[in-house]
Amino acid sequence: SYVLTQSPSVSVAPGKTAMITCGAYNIGTKSVHWYQQKPGQAPVLVMYYNSDRPLGIPERFSGSNSGNTATLTISRVEAGDEADYYCLVWDSTSHHYIFGTGTKVTVL
Amino acid sequence: QVHLEESGGGVVQPGRSLRLSCRASGFTFSRYGMHWVRQAPGKVPEWVAVTGNDGSNTYYADSVKGRFAISRDNANNILYLQMNSLSAEDTAVYYCARQIAATGSSYFDNWGQGALVTVSS
Repeated sequence: SYVLTQSPSVSVAPGKTAMITCGAYNIGTKSVHWYQQKPGQAPVLVMYYNSDRPLGIPERFSGSNSGNTATLTISRVEAGDEADYYCLVWDSTSHHYIFGTGTKVTVL
Repeated sequence: QVHLEESGGGVVQPGRSLRLSCRASGFTFSRYGMHWVRQAPGKVPEWVAVTGNDGSNTYYADSVKGRFAISRDNANNILYLQMNSLSAEDTAVYYCARQIAATGSSYFDNWGQGALVTVSS
């Protein structure tokens, strides 16, 4: 089955840039979507189709996808960005949806 | 404003059944595919099932296929998940989520607040 590998954790100082990666073979051929989840809350969509931001998501959030790695970048990190982040892809063959292993972003 | 509200969670004994409901409002329910996604405590979200906008084209995760059934009532804007032969591994918060689909991909744009299902004797 298709496995999406994320780094378990990323630590970043306020005002700096956090890069969260989602790795899989040829993921660049798929559309990747990203979710932010804070403790006790449902996931929130922060990026869709690799690099599109939903309404209400700050421009500080950006995305890219190429080769074997998709990346969610958070610029000028704020304390409120501290959360778990998950990538998601849809497998067109099985019609199944696959979440990444998750990355915990800690703001120092 | 899209609103999804799950109900029906609780504590259930292993081997028993439970049905979750998700009441939708703020959008034309019958135009959207709908999903169930679950998240065990401290774990990564796991996609469970999807139904097309008219109740056709249902798909299930391998972990629940044959035990769970997704369905919908478009007249009353309700999504259901019938869960049978429950085991401890099914303990999780269950979310309903609205699907956005286009050529080549699909994702969930809105989620409910979740319903906790605990399978325990």
